[in-house]
Amino acid sequence: KQEVTQIPAALSVPEGENLVLNCSFTDSAIYNLQWFRQDPGKGLTSLLLIQSSQREQTSGRLNASLDKSSGRSTLYIAASQPGDSATYLCAAEDGAGAGSYQLTFGKGTKLSVIP
Amino acid sequence: ETGVTQSPTHLIKTRGQQVTLRCSSQSGHNTVSWYQQALGQGPQFIFQYYREEENGRGNFPPRFSGLQFPNYSSELNVNALELDDSALYLCASSWQGMGQGAGDTQYFGPGTRLTVL
Repeated sequence: KQEVTQIPAALSVPEGENLVLNCSFTDSAIYNLQWFRQDPGKGLTSLLLIQSSQREQTSGRLNASLDKSSGRSTLYIAASQPGDSATYLCAAEDGAGAGSYQLTFGKGTKLSVIP
Repeated sequence: ETGVTQSPTHLIKTRGQQVTLRCSSQSGHNTVSWYQQALGQGPQFIFQYYREEENGRGNFPPRFSGLQFPNYSSELNVNALELDDSALYLCASSWQGMGQGAGDTQYFGPGTRLTVL
């Protein structure tokens, strides 16, 4: 059974700082690894998807890396802004039987960027 | 291109009642997954529907059931509600090709907040 862990659970940084969020997963047989953002009481917004054959993906100030062999992914946020304040969720996608697939999520890292 | 929509936004029920939550998938998507997110936790996979059939299920009891319609919209039904069913229910849609094990990015709706009293 896949288990996903995110460290730290919460992080508070001053505006402009670069930061790294960590994610680890127990079963390396994944299809892909996804990072999401969730604002309080809201749904999930997809940030980056890294296929199992890829090492990293970049979108604007965000860069996500994947090391399948060690079961780790990191999300790097450059030049953080107050608008980046949210909970960031990491999810590993693998099979759920009969051709289906599921995301297994970590509990998230709550990020606060202080102006 | 319309995104994933869910209704209702909020719902309050009492223990033992039944509830139906609805989801309209994003245009062009044929697969719908449902997730339950308890307060302070990550979402947990309930089940997935592909071409109107349930083709994958997480660790949830049979009182959680669903439907997918020909237009790929979906319903989640929960019978005999329990206090622990209080959560944010998220629907996600994606495209899955024939015989393809993994889908593309899953796009999530805003969720339905269910409170069971």
